[in-house]
Amino acid sequence: EPEVTQTPSHQVTQMGQEVILRCVPISNHLYFYWYRQILGQKVEFLVSFYNNEISEKSEIFDDQFSVERPDGSNFTLKIRSTKLEDSAMYFCASSDSGQGRTEAFFGQGTRLTVV
Amino acid sequence: AQTVTQSQPEMSVQEAETVTLSCTYDTSENNYYLFWYKQPPSRQMILVIRQEAYKQQNATENRFSVNFQKAAKSFSLKISDSQLGDTAMYFCAFIPRQGGKLIFGQGTELSVKP
Repeated sequence: EPEVTQTPSHQVTQMGQEVILRCVPISNHLYFYWYRQILGQKVEFLVSFYNNEISEKSEIFDDQFSVERPDGSNFTLKIRSTKLEDSAMYFCASSDSGQGRTEAFFGQGTRLTVV
Repeated sequence: AQTVTQSQPEMSVQEAETVTLSCTYDTSENNYYLFWYKQPPSRQMILVIRQEAYKQQNATENRFSVNFQKAAKSFSLKISDSQLGDTAMYFCAFIPRQGGKLIFGQGTELSVKP
Protein backbone atom coordinates (compact mmCIF):
# COMPACT_ATOMS: atom_id res chain seq x y z
CA GLU A 1 0.00 0.00 0.00
CA PRO A 2 1.43 3.41 -0.91
CA GLU A 3 2.41 5.59 2.00
CA VAL A 4 3.84 8.97 2.86
CA THR A 5 7.36 8.71 4.22
CA GLN A 6 9.06 11.26 6.46
CA THR A 7 12.68 11.54 7.47
CA PRO A 8 14.17 11.77 9.97
CA SER A 9 11.84 10.32 12.58
CA HIS A 10 13.50 12.42 15.27
CA GLN A 11 15.70 15.50 14.93
CA VAL A 12 17.45 17.33 17.72
CA THR A 13 18.83 20.73 16.90
CA GLN A 14 20.24 23.71 18.70
CA MET A 15 18.28 26.94 18.88
CA GLY A 16 19.12 29.18 15.95
CA GLN A 17 20.10 26.35 13.64
CA GLU A 18 18.41 25.57 10.34
CA VAL A 19 16.55 22.30 9.94
CA ILE A 20 15.07 20.61 6.90
CA LEU A 21 12.34 18.05 7.35
CA ARG A 22 11.82 15.73 4.42
CA CYS A 23 8.76 14.01 3.08
CA VAL A 24 8.13 11.71 0.14
CA PRO A 25 4.42 11.96 -0.71
CA ILE A 26 2.46 9.26 -2.47
CA SER A 27 3.66 9.28 -6.06
CA ASN A 28 0.48 10.25 -7.93
CA HIS A 29 -0.63 12.84 -5.40
CA LEU A 30 -0.62 16.51 -6.32
CA TYR A 31 -1.50 18.31 -3.09
CA PHE A 32 0.91 18.44 -0.18
CA TYR A 33 0.58 19.68 3.36
CA TRP A 34 2.55 20.26 6.52
CA TYR A 35 0.89 20.13 9.93
CA ARG A 36 2.38 20.64 13.37
CA GLN A 37 1.48 19.15 16.74
CA ILE A 38 3.03 20.61 19.85
CA LEU A 39 3.15 17.90 22.50
CA GLY A 40 -0.23 17.40 24.10
CA GLN A 41 -1.96 19.89 21.84
CA LYS A 42 -4.04 19.76 18.71
CA VAL A 43 -2.77 19.26 15.21
CA GLU A 44 -2.38 22.62 13.45
CA PHE A 45 -2.20 23.39 9.77
CA LEU A 46 0.98 25.05 8.55
CA VAL A 47 0.93 25.16 4.76
CA SER A 48 -0.50 23.58 1.62
CA PHE A 49 1.32 23.28 -1.69
CA TYR A 50 0.08 22.63 -5.18
CA ASN A 51 1.52 23.09 -8.64
CA ASN A 52 4.86 24.15 -7.21
CA GLU A 53 3.53 26.96 -5.14
CA ILE A 54 1.99 27.61 -1.75
CA SER A 55 -1.80 27.54 -1.98
CA GLU A 56 -2.53 28.41 1.64
CA LYS A 57 -0.55 29.09 4.79
CA SER A 58 -1.40 29.72 8.40
CA GLU A 59 -0.27 32.49 10.74
CA ILE A 60 2.28 30.06 12.17
CA PHE A 61 4.01 29.81 8.80
CA ASP A 62 6.05 32.98 9.02
CA ASP A 63 9.23 34.03 7.24
CA GLN A 64 11.23 31.46 9.17
CA PHE A 65 9.45 28.67 7.33
CA SER A 66 9.68 27.66 3.69
CA VAL A 67 8.62 24.69 1.63
CA GLU A 68 10.01 23.24 -1.54
CA ARG A 69 9.53 20.36 -3.91
CA PRO A 70 13.07 20.23 -5.24
CA ASP A 71 13.03 17.16 -7.43
CA GLY A 72 9.47 16.01 -8.12
CA SER A 73 9.45 13.42 -5.37
CA ASN A 74 10.54 15.09 -2.14
CA PHE A 75 8.60 17.78 -0.31
CA THR A 76 10.60 19.64 2.30
CA LEU A 77 9.90 21.99 5.18
CA LYS A 78 12.75 24.28 6.17
CA ILE A 79 12.94 26.23 9.38
CA ARG A 80 15.69 28.81 9.02
CA SER A 81 16.47 29.71 12.61
CA THR A 82 14.81 27.36 15.05
CA LYS A 83 13.28 28.54 18.29
CA LEU A 84 12.49 26.51 21.40
CA GLU A 85 8.78 26.82 20.60
CA ASP A 86 9.31 25.08 17.26
CA SER A 87 9.70 21.83 19.18
CA ALA A 88 6.82 19.71 17.97
CA MET A 89 5.80 16.77 15.86
CA TYR A 90 5.66 17.73 12.19
CA PHE A 91 3.39 15.77 9.88
CA CYS A 92 3.47 15.75 6.13
CA ALA A 93 0.33 14.77 4.23
CA SER A 94 -0.65 14.36 0.61
CA SER A 95 -3.86 13.89 -1.36
CA ASP A 96 -4.64 13.32 -5.01
CA SER A 97 -7.32 15.92 -5.61
CA GLY A 98 -7.13 18.40 -2.75
CA GLN A 99 -10.90 18.23 -2.44
CA GLY A 100 -12.60 17.43 0.81
CA ARG A 101 -13.91 14.12 -0.45
CA THR A 102 -10.45 12.64 -0.89
CA GLU A 103 -8.43 11.33 2.00
CA ALA A 104 -5.27 13.07 3.05
CA PHE A 105 -2.64 10.47 3.85
CA PHE A 106 -0.30 11.34 6.69
CA GLY A 107 3.30 10.39 7.20
CA GLN A 108 4.50 9.00 10.49
CA GLY A 109 5.80 12.39 11.57
CA THR A 110 9.15 13.93 12.49
CA ARG A 111 9.67 14.81 16.11
CA LEU A 112 11.69 18.02 16.24
CA THR A 113 13.37 18.92 19.50
CA VAL A 114 15.02 22.33 19.76
CA VAL A 115 17.47 22.66 22.66
CA ALA B 1 -14.05 30.63 10.59
CA GLN B 2 -14.47 26.95 11.18
CA THR B 3 -13.78 25.45 14.57
CA VAL B 4 -13.83 21.93 15.96
CA THR B 5 -14.30 21.24 19.66
CA GLN B 6 -13.72 18.04 21.59
CA SER B 7 -14.80 18.59 25.16
CA GLN B 8 -13.51 15.32 26.60
CA PRO B 9 -9.70 15.47 27.07
CA GLU B 10 -9.58 11.92 28.45
CA MET B 11 -11.85 8.91 28.54
CA SER B 12 -11.52 5.32 29.59
CA VAL B 13 -13.50 2.20 28.83
CA GLN B 14 -13.34 -1.44 29.79
CA GLU B 15 -12.33 -3.88 27.11
CA ALA B 16 -15.34 -5.19 25.13
CA GLU B 17 -17.56 -2.31 26.18
CA THR B 18 -18.82 0.62 24.13
CA VAL B 19 -17.60 4.19 24.33
CA THR B 20 -18.71 7.40 22.64
CA LEU B 21 -16.41 10.32 21.93
CA SER B 22 -17.98 13.73 21.38
CA CYS B 23 -17.22 16.37 18.80
CA THR B 24 -18.94 19.59 17.86
CA TYR B 25 -18.02 21.98 15.12
CA ASP B 26 -18.95 25.35 13.80
CA THR B 27 -19.12 26.37 10.16
CA SER B 28 -21.19 28.40 7.76
CA GLU B 29 -20.51 25.89 5.00
CA ASN B 30 -23.33 23.61 3.88
CA ASN B 31 -21.20 20.95 2.22
CA TYR B 32 -18.22 19.53 4.03
CA TYR B 33 -16.62 16.36 5.34
CA LEU B 34 -15.95 15.22 8.87
CA PHE B 35 -13.35 12.73 9.98
CA TRP B 36 -12.16 10.86 12.99
CA TYR B 37 -8.42 10.20 13.11
CA LYS B 38 -6.68 7.84 15.51
CA GLN B 39 -3.22 8.63 16.81
CA PRO B 40 -1.70 5.68 18.69
CA PRO B 41 1.48 6.03 20.77
CA SER B 42 3.49 5.72 17.56
CA ARG B 43 2.07 9.21 16.70
CA GLN B 44 0.96 8.11 13.22
CA MET B 45 -2.32 9.72 12.10
CA ILE B 46 -4.72 7.03 10.92
CA LEU B 47 -8.09 7.74 9.35
CA VAL B 48 -10.81 5.85 11.21
CA ILE B 49 -14.02 7.02 9.57
CA ARG B 50 -15.37 9.74 7.28
CA GLN B 51 -18.81 11.36 7.00
CA GLU B 52 -20.10 13.42 4.11
CA ALA B 53 -22.33 16.24 5.31
CA TYR B 54 -24.86 15.84 2.52
CA LYS B 55 -25.48 12.21 3.47
CA GLN B 56 -28.01 11.70 6.23
CA GLN B 57 -26.96 8.11 6.81
CA ASN B 58 -24.37 7.72 9.54
CA ALA B 59 -21.07 6.22 8.42
CA THR B 60 -19.94 2.89 9.86
CA GLU B 61 -16.65 1.02 9.63
CA ASN B 62 -16.74 -2.31 11.42
CA ARG B 63 -16.76 -1.50 15.17
CA PHE B 64 -16.68 2.25 14.54
CA SER B 65 -19.76 4.31 13.80
CA VAL B 66 -20.72 7.94 13.97
CA ASN B 67 -23.78 9.86 15.09
CA PHE B 68 -23.91 12.84 12.75
CA GLN B 69 -26.40 15.54 13.69
CA LYS B 70 -26.02 18.26 11.08
CA ALA B 71 -28.44 20.74 12.59
CA ALA B 72 -26.76 20.46 15.96
CA LYS B 73 -23.30 20.41 14.35
CA SER B 74 -22.41 17.33 16.29
CA PHE B 75 -20.31 14.39 15.16
CA SER B 76 -19.70 11.71 17.79
CA LEU B 77 -17.73 8.50 17.39
CA LYS B 78 -18.96 5.25 18.88
CA ILE B 79 -16.52 2.41 19.36
CA SER B 80 -18.19 -0.92 20.03
CA ASP B 81 -16.51 -3.96 21.57
CA SER B 82 -13.50 -1.85 22.56
CA GLN B 83 -10.13 -3.52 22.17
CA LEU B 84 -6.82 -2.78 23.86
CA GLY B 85 -5.48 -1.67 20.48
CA ASP B 86 -8.04 1.12 20.41
CA THR B 87 -6.04 2.93 23.07
CA ALA B 88 -4.99 6.14 21.37
CA MET B 89 -5.64 9.84 20.96
CA TYR B 90 -8.67 10.47 18.75
CA PHE B 91 -9.04 13.64 16.74
CA CYS B 92 -12.18 14.94 15.10
CA ALA B 93 -11.51 16.97 11.95
CA PHE B 94 -13.40 19.07 9.41
CA ILE B 95 -12.74 20.06 5.81
CA PRO B 96 -14.94 22.04 3.41
CA ARG B 97 -16.21 20.18 0.36
CA GLN B 98 -13.97 22.17 -1.95
CA GLY B 99 -10.93 21.12 0.02
CA GLY B 100 -8.20 23.04 1.73
CA LYS B 101 -6.85 22.39 5.17
CA LEU B 102 -8.08 19.94 7.76
CA ILE B 103 -9.20 21.63 10.97
CA PHE B 104 -8.69 19.45 14.02
CA GLY B 105 -10.20 19.36 17.46
CA GLN B 106 -8.10 19.21 20.58
CA GLY B 107 -8.24 15.45 20.80
CA THR B 108 -9.60 12.89 23.27
CA GLU B 109 -7.20 10.45 24.85
CA LEU B 110 -8.91 7.08 25.09
CA SER B 111 -7.64 4.32 27.35
CA VAL B 112 -9.05 0.84 26.98
CA LYS B 113 -8.57 -1.11 30.19
CA PRO B 114 -8.32 -4.90 30.39
